[in-house]
Amino acid sequence: AQTVTQSQPEMSVQEAETVTLSCTYDTSENNYYLFWYKQPPSRQMILVIRQEAYKQQNATENRFSVNFQKAAKSFSLKISDSQLGDTAMYFCAFLGGTGTASKLTFGTGTRLQVTL
Amino acid sequence: EAQVTQNPRYLITVTGKKLTVTCSQNMNHEYMSWYRQDPGLGLRQIYYSMNVEVTDKGDVPEGYKVSRKEKRNFPLILESPSPNQTSLYFCASSLFPQETQYFGPGTRLLVL
Repeated sequence: AQTVTQSQPEMSVQEAETVTLSCTYDTSENNYYLFWYKQPPSRQMILVIRQEAYKQQNATENRFSVNFQKAAKSFSLKISDSQLGDTAMYFCAFLGGTGTASKLTFGTGTRLQVTL
Repeated sequence: EAQVTQNPRYLITVTGKKLTVTCSQNMNHEYMSWYRQDPGLGLRQIYYSMNVEVTDKGDVPEGYKVSRKEKRNFPLILESPSPNQTSLYFCASSLFPQETQYFGPGTRLLVL
């Protein structure tokens, strides 16, 4: 079974600074997908970024980028120019398997606080 | 607007009183899933559905039922709720199992 580990329960960053959230996963599969979801105080789950394992290029979405290290099974999220609105819980998630075995597995989350 | 909706958003009930949380999506997605979120545990899958009339257990199915009679709807049923089912529940859908899942707004349930 796949596992996803987020080793930083809480982090803090000052506005306009850069912060990196770490995520590691364990799998024997070669083809899979990785995601970062953001959960603000509203509790809505919002997709931040998605990475396909077969792509070597790291995904980017505006101020959000990932460092995907397939061999190390690492998938960190970098937030540049942090804004107050980035304050949220961030979940790393792994999607593997095929057909009926496809499953989205979440880490336990990192709570990010952006301060003035 | 493409979205996943859940109702109710908040619910307080008592032990043993059957309840249903509805989930509906308007994106013609094949795949739908229910999760529960508990502090320190992240989101865990309860049940999922590959298509109409096709459902299967996730990691924590005990105490829950689901049905998928129509493509757009995937209700979660608690036949006899217990306090350990107090949680935040999310419905999600995707075009196919290997595609990005989009989440509903969540339902906060308190079982007394």
